[in-house]
Amino acid sequence: QVQLVESGGGLVHPGGSLTLSCEASGSTLRDTYKAWIRQAPGKGLEWLSYIDGTSRDINYADSVRGRFTISRDNAKNSLYLHMNSLRVEDTAVYYCVTGAQIRIPDYWGQGTPVTVSS
Amino acid sequence: DVVMTQSPLSLPVTLGQPASIFCRSSQGLVYRGEYVFLSWFQQRPGQSPRRLIYEVSNRDSGVPDRFSGSGSGTDFTLKISRVEAEDVGVYYCMQGTHWPWTFGPGTKVEIK
Repeated sequence: QVQLVESGGGLVHPGGSLTLSCEASGSTLRDTYKAWIRQAPGKGLEWLSYIDGTSRDINYADSVRGRFTISRDNAKNSLYLHMNSLRVEDTAVYYCVTGAQIRIPDYWGQGTPVTVSS
Repeated sequence: DVVMTQSPLSLPVTLGQPASIFCRSSQGLVYRGEYVFLSWFQQRPGQSPRRLIYEVSNRDSGVPDRFSGSGSGTDFTLKISRVEAEDVGVYYCMQGTHWPWTFGPGTKVEIK
């Protein structure tokens, strides 16, 4: 089994920055694709970004491109999301996901909440 | 972006009765002529989403066999043969073929 634990969420002012972390346990998926998905309060789910095991294949949704940066540290089995220029509309629960095929993610973390407010 | 639509958005169901949720994509979802990355997720109140069905009709391990998925082209269906109390929650279809991968708006299943 794979367990994903996100951390780093909190309250930040508009224009501020925050870095989310996701620590994975379970070595069978150590080098696989990982991704971030978010869910705004009372809203649906939005894919944000994915990264492959070598950090060479990376993509972003237009809503966060240029503001968010995904990265990983395979030695620490960790995934990160560096978020800059945060906006009120970035307020959401942020989930880390992975799986044998990232296009059909079967492992989700419990989520970490981010609130952007003045 | 591929738009995923779902109907109904709210589904009151009697315990023990069947339920169906429909999902339509704005584009076909065949990937490299072989795979159809259409999945269904269940999100119970206060929990993270959980995958139920992947690649249209493959049920995940541990998912009760009362859940089934079907469809082709741009039209897909999730069926619950007999709704149980633990099935209350929001159900999302999701396409993983065209980036950005997208979810439907969700269908809220509740017990009458």
